[in-house]
Amino acid sequence: NAGVMQNPRHLVRRRGQEARLRCSPMKGHSHVYWYRQLPEEGLKFMVYLQKENIIDESGMPKERFSAEFPKEGPSILRIQQVVRGDSAAYFCASSPQEIGVPYHEQYFGPGTRLTVT
Amino acid sequence: GENVEQHPSTLSVQEGDSAVIKCTYSDSASNYFPWYKQELGKRPQLIIDIRSNVGEKKDQRIAVTLNKTAKHFSLHITETQPEDSAVYFCPFCQGAQKLVFGQGTRLTINP
Repeated sequence: NAGVMQNPRHLVRRRGQEARLRCSPMKGHSHVYWYRQLPEEGLKFMVYLQKENIIDESGMPKERFSAEFPKEGPSILRIQQVVRGDSAAYFCASSPQEIGVPYHEQYFGPGTRLTVT
Repeated sequence: GENVEQHPSTLSVQEGDSAVIKCTYSDSASNYFPWYKQELGKRPQLIIDIRSNVGEKKDQRIAVTLNKTAKHFSLHITETQPEDSAVYFCPFCQGAQKLVFGQGTRLTINP
């Protein structure tokens, strides 16, 4: 059973370009979470999605950032018009859905390291 | 708001000794307590977790204890090895969905 997959692992963009980060959850997992980590800091929650639904986007910046988890294919985190401050490691996590179980383990992917030049 | 406080922020122990990291939480309704280990440049890795219906859980050299009355839970690593060097996080589970991470504890194992 493959783990959470993310690609690309490293992404370099110039200021003003768009960045697309992809995440494929573990097999059988229907919940996806995106987190951002700056150097020497903990992870910061960005968004929580289920298939075709955004459940909680309270951690997403109001502008330039969007996320989706289509019925088919990976979850996408999209950053438009990137700025230097967007440089960070972006981690995706997935968890299973079990009716009646309030908390689920989250398993993280290897991350995408975005560098904006 | 609800959060978790983690102590110490840095910890240095001799190889073979034990390491203990403690987290205190404020939400009495919390009932899931995971521990993540993150090595430099790597992903956070779930190493152990505990639910509120048990007081202790052990997996080889790693154990977690939970004191619901005092609202704290601790990670215990025995017979530490160099590969235990990492940053350890005890995120708060908010709304049964997102994990709220603090700054973590940087553990260094000295040979």
